[in-house]
Amino acid sequence: AQSVTQPDIHITVSEGASLELRCNYSYGATPYLFWYVQSPGQGLQLLLKYFSGDTLVQGIKGFEAEFKRSQSSFNLRKPSVHWSDAAEYFCAVGVEGGGSYIPTFGRGTSLIVHP
Amino acid sequence: EAQVTQNPRYLITVTGKKLTVTCSQNMNHEYMSWYRQDPGLGLRQIYYSMNVEVTDKGDVPEGYKVSRKEKRNFPLILESPSPNQTSLYFCASSQQYNEQFFGPGTRLTVL
Repeated sequence: AQSVTQPDIHITVSEGASLELRCNYSYGATPYLFWYVQSPGQGLQLLLKYFSGDTLVQGIKGFEAEFKRSQSSFNLRKPSVHWSDAAEYFCAVGVEGGGSYIPTFGRGTSLIVHP
Repeated sequence: EAQVTQNPRYLITVTGKKLTVTCSQNMNHEYMSWYRQDPGLGLRQIYYSMNVEVTDKGDVPEGYKVSRKEKRNFPLILESPSPNQTSLYFCASSQQYNEQFFGPGTRLTVL
């Protein structure tokens, strides 16, 4: 079964600083890869996704992520963080096979933004 | 507006009293699923459905039931709720293996 690891439970950055959230997955092939954001009291919203092709993908709100096959990683980045980016971030992988589709989520990284 | 709706948004109940949380999507998505979110554990899939009348267990199905009689609806049933089912529940839908669209969540407390 696939697994997703987000090593950082909490990350604190200052407003305007750059951000990188880590995500590693365990799966034999390349899965579908996603980053979601959850603002307080809200559901999850897709930031970006990777299925194939260019390994650097652009998302909404100025986020980007890079797929590195050799490291089984899909890290999320933003060059300059805004206070409104404070939220919970989830990395997810999706694997299809045998007529089923099982998405697996990481445990999340809570982003705290200091003014 | 494309959306996933869940009802109720908040529910406080007592142990053993059957309850149903409804989920509906208006995007004609084939794939629907239920998750529970607990602090430090992220989202864990309870059940999913690939299409009408096709459902399967996720990672934590014990104590839950689902049905998919229509494409748009995917209710979650707790026949005999227990306190360890106190959690935040999310319904989601997607077009097969694509991104999932999430509902706003249902916060359930079982006393």
